[in-house]
Amino acid sequence: RKEVEQDPGPFNVPEGATVAFNCTYSNSASQSFFWYRQDCRKEPKLLMSVYSSGNEDGRFTAQLNRASQYISLLIRDSKLSDSATYLCVVNIINQAGTALIFGKGTTLSVSS
Amino acid sequence: ETGVTQSPTHLIKTRGQQVTLRCSSQSGHNTVSWYQQALGQGPQFIFQYYREEENGRGNFPPRFSGLQFPNYSSELNVNALELDDSALYLCASSGTGDSGGEQYFGPGTRLTVT
Repeated sequence: RKEVEQDPGPFNVPEGATVAFNCTYSNSASQSFFWYRQDCRKEPKLLMSVYSSGNEDGRFTAQLNRASQYISLLIRDSKLSDSATYLCVVNIINQAGTALIFGKGTTLSVSS
Repeated sequence: ETGVTQSPTHLIKTRGQQVTLRCSSQSGHNTVSWYQQALGQGPQFIFQYYREEENGRGNFPPRFSGLQFPNYSSELNVNALELDDSALYLCASSGTGDSGGEQYFGPGTRLTVT
């Protein structure tokens, strides 16, 4: 089982749609959680951190369920500019140090 | 712009050769992490350096090695290159060794091994 698994995608949605991405992680030692965005042939950029209480940043809402080891990202009112790959990321701290584990990513394509 | 720079941007090497990739961290950041991203995959963690010491390592063989310098810039060295080493190599900097996912990525070095 992969350490971080995401919806396979791709997601093709019209402008204005609401889309949800899911992610599960297998390591209960995971300390912190994030969503990154990666545009084609570009580097990943932090979209938002994910907190147990849930958090919102404009049209983006992230949720974390530690008991189920599940993370989600909801995008409301999709824009053309939201087209990208969304990477679910967990940070694990163990005796060897810290490791940032990425999922494979889910591709979103928003069309007009 | 994150302020993280990498060089070179592209590189072509032959199987069996050795390569050195370089990264300059964002000003004020003392931690550098390296990742390998194959086409269609998420970045895979290679290792992290914090104040010139290795602070975590992913599932990569010893032919992948690194260094961090007193100015916190870093090198990734790969010996005995294999065809499967062809990938985008990303460097990311952060403020402290355990700052987790709040990392800032450079544009990457695209390595092709023939």
